Amino acid sequence: NAGVTQTPKFQVLKTGQSMTLQCAQDMNHNSMYWYRQDPGMGLRLIYYSASEGTTDKGEVPNGYNVSRLNKREFSLRLESAAPSQTSVYFCASTATPEAFFGQGTRLTVV
Amino acid sequence: TQLLEQSPQFLSIQEGENLTVYCNSSSVFSSLQWYRQEPGEGPVLLVTVVTGGEVKKLKRLTFQFGDARKDSSLHITAAQPGDTGLYLCAGASDYKLSFGAGTTVTVRA
Repeated sequence: NAGVTQTPKFQVLKTGQSMTLQCAQDMNHNSMYWYRQDPGMGLRLIYYSASEGTTDKGEVPNGYNVSRLNKREFSLRLESAAPSQTSVYFCASTATPEAFFGQGTRLTVV
Repeated sequence: TQLLEQSPQFLSIQEGENLTVYCNSSSVFSSLQWYRQEPGEGPVLLVTVVTGGEVKKLKRLTFQFGDARKDSSLHITAAQPGDTGLYLCAGASDYKLSFGAGTTVTVRA
């Protein structure tokens, strides 16, 4: 019953550091997404992967890269973290059109 | 600029009152979903509407999809404190799922 699993749950980075957020789903969904959530902004799409082997930019892709490692896993990388990337990050997978979300990663960049 | 505009941004009502949340866009969507999110958790799907003009009822919640498939509303009858949360609408177009900024609903006992 895992659904969508994100790691880590919390992270503090210094400006300029890099890190990768991991996401895995066990529902055999084709499409996966990365969103960030900031107060008053709802969920903004960073990148998505319609199927294994494809990735596309969303609304706010700058400063991020993604890898769809296989059907289960979709990772988000910050190469050089900036304070503006302080946010809560959510991974989701879809059985079109319904999305199932992980519990989120709270990232603080100082 | 959000693709989907939700209103109001905040709503605080007394237990037993009714409320309506709106979701509007200039884009046409193949489907529209409503989610509810509680603090520290990811959003959880409430309903999906697909057909223009569709109305779906889920106990005290009524969801409507506009005829042109650009807008939707969520109506809660006789709200309860357990209805408190962030309500998000999301529109699906091809493989992209775009969200509104959300409406924070507080139901006071």
